[in-house]
Amino acid sequence: AQTVTQSQPEMSVQEAETVTLSCTYDTSESDYYLFWYKQPPSRQMILVIRQEAYKQQNATENRFSVNFQKAAKSFSLKISDSQLGDAAMYFCAYRSGANAGKSTFGDGTTLTVKP
Amino acid sequence: KAGVTQTPRYLIKTRGQQVTLSCSPISGHRSVSWYQQTPGQGLQFLFEYFSETQRNKGNFPGRFSGRQFSNSRSEMNVSTLELGDSALYLCASSLEVSSPLKQYFGPGTRLTVL
Repeated sequence: AQTVTQSQPEMSVQEAETVTLSCTYDTSESDYYLFWYKQPPSRQMILVIRQEAYKQQNATENRFSVNFQKAAKSFSLKISDSQLGDAAMYFCAYRSGANAGKSTFGDGTTLTVKP
Repeated sequence: KAGVTQTPRYLIKTRGQQVTLSCSPISGHRSVSWYQQTPGQGLQFLFEYFSETQRNKGNFPGRFSGRQFSNSRSEMNVSTLELGDSALYLCASSLEVSSPLKQYFGPGTRLTVL
């Protein structure tokens, strides 16, 4: 079974600075997808960024980028120029290519942005 | 397009009762997945439906069941409610099971069991 581990229950960052959230996963599969989701206090889960395991290039979406280290099974999220609106719970998630209807989530990291 | 909608948004029940939650996926989406979110257990997969068929099931007791209708709307039912069933129940939809990159979540139903 796949597992996803987020070792940082809480993180804080100063507005306009950069923060990195960590995620490691365990799988024996070669075809899979990795995601970072944001869940603000309003509870709507929003997709932040996604990475296909077969792609070597790290995904980037505006201020959000990932560091995907496939051999190390690591998938960290970097948020640049942090904004107050980035404050939320962030979840790392794994989805199998063969079983795409099911996502396995980490326990989440609560990000606080200080003005 | 309208997003994933879930009804009701909040629900209060007592132990032993049963409850039905509804999820309407994005128009055209055929896959619906359900998750339970609690502070202690985090986000846990319940089940996934595609074209009215349950394709995957998580490790939950038989009190948790679901179904999907021909219009892709899905319902989940919890019978004989327990205090531990208090949680946020999220559903997510995607166009196809083979489109793992395009899964969208609803706002959730907050269930409180007293």
